[in-house]
Amino acid sequence: KQEVTQIPAALSVPEGENLVLNCSFTDSAIYNLQWFRQDPGKGLTSLLLIQSSQREQTSGRLNASLDKSSGRSTLYIAASQPGDSATYLCAFNTQRSSYKLIFGSGTRLLVRP
Amino acid sequence: DGGITQSPKYLFRKEGQNVTLSCEQNLNHDAMYWYRQDPGQGLRLIYYSQIVNDFQKGDIAEGYSVSREKKESFPLTVTSAQKNPTAFYLCASSMGPRADGYTFGSGTRLTVV
Repeated sequence: KQEVTQIPAALSVPEGENLVLNCSFTDSAIYNLQWFRQDPGKGLTSLLLIQSSQREQTSGRLNASLDKSSGRSTLYIAASQPGDSATYLCAFNTQRSSYKLIFGSGTRLLVRP
Repeated sequence: DGGITQSPKYLFRKEGQNVTLSCEQNLNHDAMYWYRQDPGQGLRLIYYSQIVNDFQKGDIAEGYSVSREKKESFPLTVTSAQKNPTAFYLCASSMGPRADGYTFGSGTRLTVV
């Protein structure tokens, strides 16, 4: 069964901290891994997409890494801000089911001023 | 601006009633998807369509139906056969079948009254 596990489920940090969100997945035949942000009651916004041939992607204060051999990805957020408060979802698709993203249940992040 | 429009934002359904959720995109994307999100959980795929006049069941298609008569539109009908329809429904599209350039709508919250 293809699964995504995200740890921790919730995280509260003071403003300015660097933090790491973890994602583990069960299928090594990964095609893409994506990180999304979801604000309460809203849709998802794509943050970073890592293709299977890549090891990391960066966008501003965000850096995502991918280790296929261990089945893990991390999202690193530098110098966190209250505006980063949201739920962060990790999702992957595979070579044989590339149409379908398999999602984790997310990490709910609160950055306190 | 290009994007995906979902309507309505909130929808209330009586027991035994069919309801239809609208999803329209102007991104010229070939593939469209419907996901369901329950509180504290990740997204689960209901149906997807890679081209006009063709669609496939996802992981939780029972009690749902779709149509894809136009490239821009992918409406989802929640039928009376869906026993627990209260959830947040998200429509998405992508440039191709491999989930690249995934874009989500803002969602429809369906409640059974």
